Amino acid sequence: GAVVSQHPSWVICKSGTSVKIECRSLDFQATTMFWYRQFPKQSLMLMATSNEGSKATYEQGVEKDKFLINHASLTLSTLTVTSAHPEDSSFYICSAREVLGDATNEKLFFGSGTQLSVL
Amino acid sequence: GEDVEQSLFLSVREGDSSVINCTYTDSSSTYLYWYKQEPGAGLQLLTYIFSNMDMKQDQRLTVLLNKKDKHLSLRIADTQTGDSAIYFCAERGSGTYKYIFGTGTRLKVLA
Repeated sequence: GAVVSQHPSWVICKSGTSVKIECRSLDFQATTMFWYRQFPKQSLMLMATSNEGSKATYEQGVEKDKFLINHASLTLSTLTVTSAHPEDSSFYICSAREVLGDATNEKLFFGSGTQLSVL
Repeated sequence: GEDVEQSLFLSVREGDSSVINCTYTDSSSTYLYWYKQEPGAGLQLLTYIFSNMDMKQDQRLTVLLNKKDKHLSLRIADTQTGDSAIYFCAERGSGTYKYIFGTGTRLKVLA
């Protein structure tokens, strides 16, 4: 299957600093990428939909000024957690949508996740 | 809204078959997926099925879809210790790129 690379795999930062997480589709172009948050032993919570060349669409309850998303190219989306606090500590996962032909033939490929710990 | 439910845990012995179940509420679900997540990792697409299919087999994996009951299952034949992971089902409706994920089933394979 297609490969999605997510970096860093883990990051520890001090409270108040900003952290950038990158999500790259390595062998396909992705006009749409998704960012999720996952708490221990829970399912994925969709945070936002990242659209290449336009503003991200945020889910209800997700602060867009807190979680900045940039999707400047067809292979890269970034999530920046601004002024991080301990409650932002979580596992963040990205996914990229691969569409072959029309939308009936599409798959979602995931990055390996980023464990963020804010001290 | 749409909802996707799974049982939380399943424990099987190595060599036995595992059956992971999923129910969904959105009758317009067109595409249904199974993903595997190992500890500290992202999700790996295992297989998928279109709503106009009843069954799909891929090596050790068999997906059964009962559209009337909105029930999806994943059967893993000859389960191995390496199959221990969390399994998520997901559904997507026609005309949307939003995926709705289930709660995940933690499969533990006993040697």
